[in-house]
Amino acid sequence: GESVGLHLPTLSVQEGDNSIINCAYSNSASDYFIWYKQESGKGPQFIIDIRSNMDKRQGQRVTVLLNKTVKHLSLQIAATQPGDSAVYFCAENHNFGNEKLTFGTGTRLTIIP
Amino acid sequence: DAGITQSPRHKVTETGTPVTLRCHQTENHRYMYWYRQDPGHGLRLIHYSYGVKDTDKGEVSDGYSVSRSKTEDFLLTLESATSSQTSVYFCAISGKATEETQYFGPGTRLLVL
Repeated sequence: GESVGLHLPTLSVQEGDNSIINCAYSNSASDYFIWYKQESGKGPQFIIDIRSNMDKRQGQRVTVLLNKTVKHLSLQIAATQPGDSAVYFCAENHNFGNEKLTFGTGTRLTIIP
Repeated sequence: DAGITQSPRHKVTETGTPVTLRCHQTENHRYMYWYRQDPGHGLRLIHYSYGVKDTDKGEVSDGYSVSRSKTEDFLLTLESATSSQTSVYFCAISGKATEETQYFGPGTRLLVL
């Protein structure tokens, strides 16, 4: 079946540096991807999304890159802040209009002051 | 949390007892979902609803039932709780078929002794 995985379970980044979190997906039919941030004790929070007809999308301090050739998704966070410390995970939808998402297990990002 | 509340936020119960978790939304979104989150696993879909009285099973539905009698409320019931159902439960909502983004509630932490 489909799976969404992450290359690294943990990532530590110096405050002010940029961070990159990666995600590999296995279903080439996936057409919509989302990045979520989850702080300790809280629900997942939507960060940014991207459709398969795009390869890059930018938000405030965040950029998502999609490489469909190698089925790879990444989240770049610029100028990291202590508040960026959280678990980040990606999700994919491979059936447009079907509301089911498949979630990865997450990467824990720690910002070092 | 996108106008989503969950109750209770924490619960301790004993094996064999019934448990009902409630999700309430003020967004008038059509779709509602129940997930469980466990260490080492991504969010796993238990059940979802695509309208009042319209529900369907997710990937880990055994031992769970749901009901949706109003647009704003989605109930998850553990008919006879087991220790394997100890988990954090999240409710999510989404609006349109063309907008797959799901928004999550704060979660319910359930411990089954």
